[in-house]
Amino acid sequence: GESVGLHLPTLSVQEGDNSIINCAYSNSASDYFIWYKQESGKGPQFIIDIRSNMDKRQGQRVTVLLNKTVKHLSLQIAATQPGDSAVYFCAEIANQAGTALIFGKGTTLSVSS
Amino acid sequence: DSGVTQTPKHLITATGQRVTLRCSPRSGDLSVYWYQQSLDQGLQFLIQYYNGEERAKGNILERFSAQQFPDLHSELNLSSLELGDSALYFCASSTGSADTQYFGPGTRLTVL
Repeated sequence: GESVGLHLPTLSVQEGDNSIINCAYSNSASDYFIWYKQESGKGPQFIIDIRSNMDKRQGQRVTVLLNKTVKHLSLQIAATQPGDSAVYFCAEIANQAGTALIFGKGTTLSVSS
Repeated sequence: DSGVTQTPKHLITATGQRVTLRCSPRSGDLSVYWYQQSLDQGLQFLIQYYNGEERAKGNILERFSAQQFPDLHSELNLSSLELGDSALYFCASSTGSADTQYFGPGTRLTVL
């Protein structure tokens, strides 16, 4: 079946370091991927997305990489700040599932100063 | 602030009761989605409406129903509540039916 998962449930980094959060997906038909950030008590916040016809997309301090060969997605955060501390989810939309987002279980990023 | 609003923020009720959660999408968005977030199941898609019509259904229980009104706001009705229904319920909206989804702040439901 289709599933989106993350390699590590938690990641701890120092302020100023670069963070890499990984995600593996199983459905090769998925063509749209999104990273969300969820702070305690809040709803998921859109960070960046990528479509399957791309392998890299950059935003402000964030980069998403997509490797369709091994069905792997990663989120890179440059110069991580304490405000980046949150749970990060990758999500996918697969053609067969229509437009519903399928979420992974999340990685908790802790940034210490 | 995503522009999606949800009310109420918190809801505490008893087993067997019925509640209604309300969502207003971002201005101009036609699609509304409902998700449930619990500790053991993570974020799970429940149902989607597009311009007033049901578009997709996920793991939504028969005790749950939703609708989208002509002004595009949506309501999620949860009935015969059980302890296991305690969770965060999020609404998201998007412009069309396959665009980026923006989430509201959620409603925390506690069933006692």
